[in-house]
Amino acid sequence: NAGVMQNPRHLVRRRGQEARLRCSPMKGHSHVYWYRQLPEEGLKFMVYLQKENIIDESGMPKERFSAEFPKEGPSILRIQQVVRGDSAAYFCASSPSQGVGNEQFFGPGTRLTVL
Amino acid sequence: KNQVEQSPQSLIILEGKNCTLQCNYTVSPFSNLRWYKQDTGRGPVSLTIMTFSENTKSNGRYTATLDADTKQSSLHITASQLSDSASYICVVTPLTGGGNKLTFGTGTQLKVEL
Repeated sequence: NAGVMQNPRHLVRRRGQEARLRCSPMKGHSHVYWYRQLPEEGLKFMVYLQKENIIDESGMPKERFSAEFPKEGPSILRIQQVVRGDSAAYFCASSPSQGVGNEQFFGPGTRLTVL
Repeated sequence: KNQVEQSPQSLIILEGKNCTLQCNYTVSPFSNLRWYKQDTGRGPVSLTIMTFSENTKSNGRYTATLDADTKQSSLHITASQLSDSASYICVVTPLTGGGNKLTFGTGTQLKVEL
């Protein structure tokens, strides 16, 4: 059973370009979470999705950022018109179901660098 | 505002020695508190999980303690190994909010040297 997979592992974009980050949850997991880790800071919650639904996006910037988790395929975190401040590590986690006791399993992260 | 603070920020110890990492939190009420290990360039991996009613939990050379009254937790590592070099992160799950909004500390960067 493969763990949470993220790709690409490293992504370099110039200011104004779009960044697409992909996350494939663990087999059997239908809940996906995205977190951002800025340099020297802890992980910060961005968005929580179930298949085809955004459950909680309270941690995601209102502009330029969007997320989806389609019925088929990986979850996608999309950043439009990237700026240097978007440079960070973006982690995806998955869990089999919702609930305070359910552990979230993390992927290796995508490190985004905006030039 | 929910907060999780950790100390020390960084720590260097010799291989074979023990160490204790601290976590103070203000998240309340909370469901559980976890300690994660994050190797450089990797995602966090769970080491221990404790509910508010538990005082201690062990996982091999890792032992976590929890004092819900003082809102403090510690992670004790015994007989450290070079592979223990990593960031150790304290994470609190609020009781409200569906369990999805984990609150992360900034971590303690541990380096184990020969």
